Amino acid sequence: AQSVTQPDIHITVSEGASLELRCNYSYGATPYLFWYVQSPGQGLQLLLKYFSGDTLVQGIKGFEAEFKRSQSSFNLRKPSVHWSDAAEYFCAVCSSNTGKLIFGQGTTLQVKP
Amino acid sequence: DAGVIQSPRHEVTEMGQEVTLRCKPISGHDYLFWYRQTMMRGLELLIYFNNNVPIDDSGMPEDRFSAKMPNASFSTLKIQPSEPRDSAVYFCASRGFSTEAFFGQGTRLTVV
Repeated sequence: AQSVTQPDIHITVSEGASLELRCNYSYGATPYLFWYVQSPGQGLQLLLKYFSGDTLVQGIKGFEAEFKRSQSSFNLRKPSVHWSDAAEYFCAVCSSNTGKLIFGQGTTLQVKP
Repeated sequence: DAGVIQSPRHEVTEMGQEVTLRCKPISGHDYLFWYRQTMMRGLELLIYFNNNVPIDDSGMPEDRFSAKMPNASFSTLKIQPSEPRDSAVYFCASRGFSTEAFFGQGTRLTVV
């Protein structure tokens, strides 16, 4: 069955520090992978996506993610975090066969000044 | 395109009443999803449609929940009768065949 795990519920980093949010998925074939961000009271905004090709994908706001098939992972990274990055981050996996799109539990990012 | 449009943005209703949430997907998108977001359970997929046909409703919590997509530009999620534990933010999203999903702003439902 298709599933997504975000092991870290809450992460706190200092402004200017690097960031890595973990995402592991379970799916039989190559999935479509996404990272979304949600600010309080808002909908979800796409940060980046992977469908095929280069396994290192660049997104908006300086984020990037790397698809590692051997580890079933799609971790999100940013070299230097800004206070405005504080939000909730969701990893999502979409079945390339059925189109079913499910989300991880989310990771709340807090940024210390 | 105006994006995915959900209505109402906020709904407060009394327990036992019927609630209908509405969604207009982005024109041309093949898939439509309904999600429920709560602190305890995160973002749960309730049901999704492909070309107006329900594909997977295994996430619908009970028979009190039903969803329809009568045409490509409109979908409803209905709760009848509503209960306090249904209080949550309900999101609708749509996507094309090889695109990401676009989300509406959500409907915040409060059942008292």
